[in-house]
Amino acid sequence: AQTVTQSQPEMSVQEAETVTLSCTYDTSESDYYLFWYKQPPSRQMILVIRQEAYKQQNATENRFSVNFQKAAKSFSLKISDSQLGDAAMYFCAYRSGGPGGGNKLTFGTGTQLKVEL
Amino acid sequence: SAVISQKPSRDICQRGTSLTIQCQVDSQVTMMFWYRQQPGQSLTLIATANQGSEATYESGFVIDKFPISRPNLTFSTLTVSNMSPEDSSIYLCSARGFSGNTIYFGEGSWLTVV
Repeated sequence: AQTVTQSQPEMSVQEAETVTLSCTYDTSESDYYLFWYKQPPSRQMILVIRQEAYKQQNATENRFSVNFQKAAKSFSLKISDSQLGDAAMYFCAYRSGGPGGGNKLTFGTGTQLKVEL
Repeated sequence: SAVISQKPSRDICQRGTSLTIQCQVDSQVTMMFWYRQQPGQSLTLIATANQGSEATYESGFVIDKFPISRPNLTFSTLTVSNMSPEDSSIYLCSARGFSGNTIYFGEGSWLTVV
């Protein structure tokens, strides 16, 4: 079974600074997808960024980018120019790309990000 | 992306009662799912809602406790039966579209059982 580990329960960043959230995963599969979701106090799970395992290029979405190290099974999220609205719980998630197993998301335990003035 | 709406957004329920949560997607989707997020915890998949047939449950979850319906490609319900305080959680509906590999989430239904 796949596992996702987020070793940072809490992180803090100053507004306008950069922060990196860590995520590692364990899998024997070669075809899979990785995601970062954000959960603000409103509870809605919002997709931040997605990475396909077969792509070597790291995904970017505006101020959000990932450092995907497939061999190390590492998938960190970098938030640049942090804003107050970035404060939330961030979950790393894994989804198998294979047939029959491609629907279940396995989540890490989350990292609570605080943004300070 | 799909917009997913859930009702109710929040409720306080009496022990022993049942509550049905509704999930509506604004477009046809292939797969719909129900997750549970217990206080301070991560998300756990309860089941995959299959259109026109019985849901597929994950280990530790059973149909008698969490009956699920999915009558069409855009709507699903989750019932939490015979509730106890341990069922106090956020229940999230999610969906995967026909194209793309991303799973989207509703805003969640926060149930408190007293």
